[in-house]
Amino acid sequence: DTAVSQTPKYLVTQMGNDKSIKCEQNLGHDTMYWYKQDSKKFLKIMFSYNNKELIINETVPNRFSPKSPDKAHLNLHINSLELGDSAVYFCATSDGTNSPLHFGNGTRLTVT
Amino acid sequence: GEDVEQSLFLSVREGDSSVINCTYTDSSSTYLYWYKQEPGAGLQLLTYIFSNMDMKQDQRLTVLLNKKDKHLSLRIADTQTGDSAIYFCAETYTGGFKTIFGAGTRLFVKA
Repeated sequence: DTAVSQTPKYLVTQMGNDKSIKCEQNLGHDTMYWYKQDSKKFLKIMFSYNNKELIINETVPNRFSPKSPDKAHLNLHINSLELGDSAVYFCATSDGTNSPLHFGNGTRLTVT
Repeated sequence: GEDVEQSLFLSVREGDSSVINCTYTDSSSTYLYWYKQEPGAGLQLLTYIFSNMDMKQDQRLTVLLNKKDKHLSLRIADTQTGDSAIYFCAETYTGGFKTIFGAGTRLFVKA
C-alpha cells in the first residue's frame, strides 16, 4: 500500500496547456509539500501545507496553484505551461515540524 | 541565507568506505538529515541526527556533526554497488515547515 502516491507518473504536454498533478497520502500526516527537481537533480521547495492551510509559498509563479481539498490530498495545477516547467515534481508529507519527509515517486513533466 | 552545500561526485571501490560531506547555514536547525535517491524514485530518509548529538551510528552508516563548523558528514562502511545513488543532505527551517536540500552527491561504486 503506497504511502504517498502521485498521478500521473509521466506527463508530456505542449506549451500553453493547463495540467494538474495529484497527490494522495495514507500516512495521516498533517503537512504536505510540493518540491521541484530540475535536470541537475537540484531539489527546491515550492509549497507547504499544514492542515489544509498554505504555510510556505516559495516565490513560485502564480501559474502554479496548489489545492488541498482535505488533509490526505494536495494537488498542483499549472496554467499556461512553459518549457522551463519541465522537471520532476515530488509530493512529500511529514508528521509535524522537524519531522523527516516521506516522498512520492515523482511526476516527470515534459513541456514541448 | 538558507544554503546547504555538498560536493557533487564521489567514486569509491566496492568494500571501501565512502564519506560524503555537507555544510549548512542555519545553526538553529533541530535535525539534520541524509536522504538517498535511486534512479526514477523519490527520496528516502536514510538517517538523521539531532543537533545536540555529535555522532550517530546505524549499522553501516555513521553520521558526524560539527556544530561549530556547521559541518555534517555521512560515512558508509563497506560500500556496495547497491549504494550507488544520489545522497542529499538537508536541514529544516521556518518552524519545521521548510526543508532545504543540498545539490546531492552522486556516489559511484566500482566493482
